[in-house]
Amino acid sequence: QITMEESGPTLVKPTETLTLTCTFSGFSLSSSGMAVGWIRQPPGKALEVVAFTYWHDDKRYNPFLEGRVTLTNEAAKNQVILRMTNLDPADTATYYCAHFSSFVNTGYFDSWGQGILVRVSS
Amino acid sequence: EIVMTQSPLSLPVTPGEPASISCRSSQSPHKKGYTYLDWYVQKPGQPPQLLIYLSFNRASGVPDRFSGSGSGTDFTLTISRVEAEDVGVYYCMQAMETPFTFGQGTKLEIK
Repeated sequence: QITMEESGPTLVKPTETLTLTCTFSGFSLSSSGMAVGWIRQPPGKALEVVAFTYWHDDKRYNPFLEGRVTLTNEAAKNQVILRMTNLDPADTATYYCAHFSSFVNTGYFDSWGQGILVRVSS
Repeated sequence: EIVMTQSPLSLPVTPGEPASISCRSSQSPHKKGYTYLDWYVQKPGQPPQLLIYLSFNRASGVPDRFSGSGSGTDFTLTISRVEAEDVGVYYCMQAMETPFTFGQGTKLEIK
């Protein structure tokens, strides 16, 4: 059974850097077909994928974040770390990490964490 | 990026009646013989959960009253008989190319 859990600060000041950790179990990010994504949801709004990492350490970032986001794979610790710089109140959202099954005949987020609500406010 | 557009955005349904949600993609999410179109539901206070993958495959444990269909750029999620527990926001998502993108969401409520 796969579990995902987000951790990190829930209140960040504007212009500061946010670091969120996704800790997972039930799979190895070093195994073929495994991937982890960070998805965020501003209050009352839709879901948007922030960043994504494949098992072979290929990382993808959403262009709208304009280079503010970095992912670090700590596969040996079963963690993926999201770092986002120059926070703005518009970054206030619930941040989810989710396992993605990335085989040719799959392609979906099948296990999600409960999410962490991050507020950006002075 | 591929833009996903859902309709309607709000869907009031009487229990026992059918419901359908439309999702249109700005380009076809088809590659290597597969259509990478998923459906998720987010129930109040919960993270999203997978309903349908590859356009029409039900995820494990999903009741058979849920079905997915469509091809090209037009897709539909159908609930054959809505139950009270189906309340939530439904999202389509294309998983063909990064950044994966979601529709705006359709809020299903019970009349």
